[in-house]
Amino acid sequence: QSVLTQAPSASGTPGQSVTISCSGSSSNIGSNSVNWYQQLSGTAPKLLIYRNNQRPSGVPDRISGSKSGTSASLAISGLQSEDEADYYCAAWDDSLNGVVFGGGTKLTVL
Amino acid sequence: DVQLVQSGAEVKKPGESLKISCSTSGYRFASNWIGWVRQMPGKGLEWMGIIFPGDSDTRYSPSFQGHVLISADNSISTAYLQWDSLKASDSAIYFCARGVGMTGWFDFWGRGTRVTVSS
Repeated sequence: QSVLTQAPSASGTPGQSVTISCSGSSSNIGSNSVNWYQQLSGTAPKLLIYRNNQRPSGVPDRISGSKSGTSASLAISGLQSEDEADYYCAAWDDSLNGVVFGGGTKLTVL
Repeated sequence: DVQLVQSGAEVKKPGESLKISCSTSGYRFASNWIGWVRQMPGKGLEWMGIIFPGDSDTRYSPSFQGHVLISADNSISTAYLQWDSLKASDSAIYFCARGVGMTGWFDFWGRGTRVTVSS
């Protein structure tokens, strides 16, 4: 059971918007920034969002992140087939003294 | 360009030892944290631990402390993950990744090393 909670699945049709949520606690999301990773099938994870809402070079602006209290969200607009992947949130946990990941959300583009 | 190149897939028997590697290039190895992340078959990502090669400061997840050893060799810009006695439950893909600060994010990842432990 993961320290950060994510819904196991999400879906949308091309062009739609989808939001993936991540719920934590005061020792992780509540006191540290959230990062998001995308993992396409059979590949290594890729950094998608860092420091709650910052995009690395090359990540399109239709992808955004936000944080409020002990929860965070990843929003993808203009859904494309290439967005079909697993998405993980992560944050440092002050109690565990380590990074904790969410269980991952599998996004299906219908 | 920053690159993390991991060693190839391994097939081992329970009780055997193993050391896998993560060879880096394109940045100053000693000045950046390197972490290891496990992904068991069909499961999510798990943070195992992290090392700062500059001074070998190493932190472990409580879940992995005492079962694995993380090390680094600055002379060849390579990080390692090793086991003294493998279990079947160690079968997984292991990723190395460059950390931005100990508590921050992983900005570059290796492609992963698949470890299979079976009698």
